[in-house]
Amino acid sequence: EVQLVESGEGLVQPGGSLRLSCAASGFTFSSYAMHWVRQAPGKGLEYVSAISSNGGNTYYADSVKGRFTISRDNSKNTLYLQMGSLRAEDMAVYYCARGPYSSGPFDYWGQGTLVTVSS
Amino acid sequence: QSVLTQPPSVSGAPGQRVTISCTGSSSNIGAGYDVHWYQQLPGTAPKLLIYGNINRPSGVPDRFSGSRSGTSASLAISGLQAEDEADYYCQSYDSSLSGSVFGTGTKVTVL
Repeated sequence: EVQLVESGEGLVQPGGSLRLSCAASGFTFSSYAMHWVRQAPGKGLEYVSAISSNGGNTYYADSVKGRFTISRDNSKNTLYLQMGSLRAEDMAVYYCARGPYSSGPFDYWGQGTLVTVSS
Repeated sequence: QSVLTQPPSVSGAPGQRVTISCTGSSSNIGAGYDVHWYQQLPGTAPKLLIYGNINRPSGVPDRFSGSRSGTSASLAISGLQAEDEADYYCQSYDSSLSGSVFGTGTKVTVL
């Protein structure tokens, strides 16, 4: 059974940093591109970032470019999102998802982890 | 702001058919990129509902169907059931952004 489990939930002050993790199981992690999608409270889904199966290619939405870094450790079956210079508008539930690098579909999703940015 | 526009809400009585539109442009749907649809039940993660414009993953009832034409796509739910009450999102690739985009989302209410 495919499982994606996010962790790293937390409260961070504006300007602070936080690292999210997504532990994958039930499939060959190193064969799949992975993604981060977020959802602000009461809002819609926003595509954040992608990383290719071997980590050689990455993509960032303009809203996070230069502040967030996506990475993966295929030996640990884990996806990461390092978030820096956090702003109030980054407050959201962050989901990891599996899917082709460029265009989706995202066939499996984690349960999400909440990032709160507040002073 | 999303480049894929959906109606904020649609509603229907049990058993009725509702449709949700997803309007894009020449840099996404109109360019021929596939459209995928997700269902998000209250308090849960999104779930893939339709992929590649018209295809249903295993386990998705055939009451759900998708289509694409020109710069738009649609999701239809026939025989509406109370359990279909959820938020629905379209998703595609946008060449001007060089990445995936989601629609604005549509809340389906079963009257």
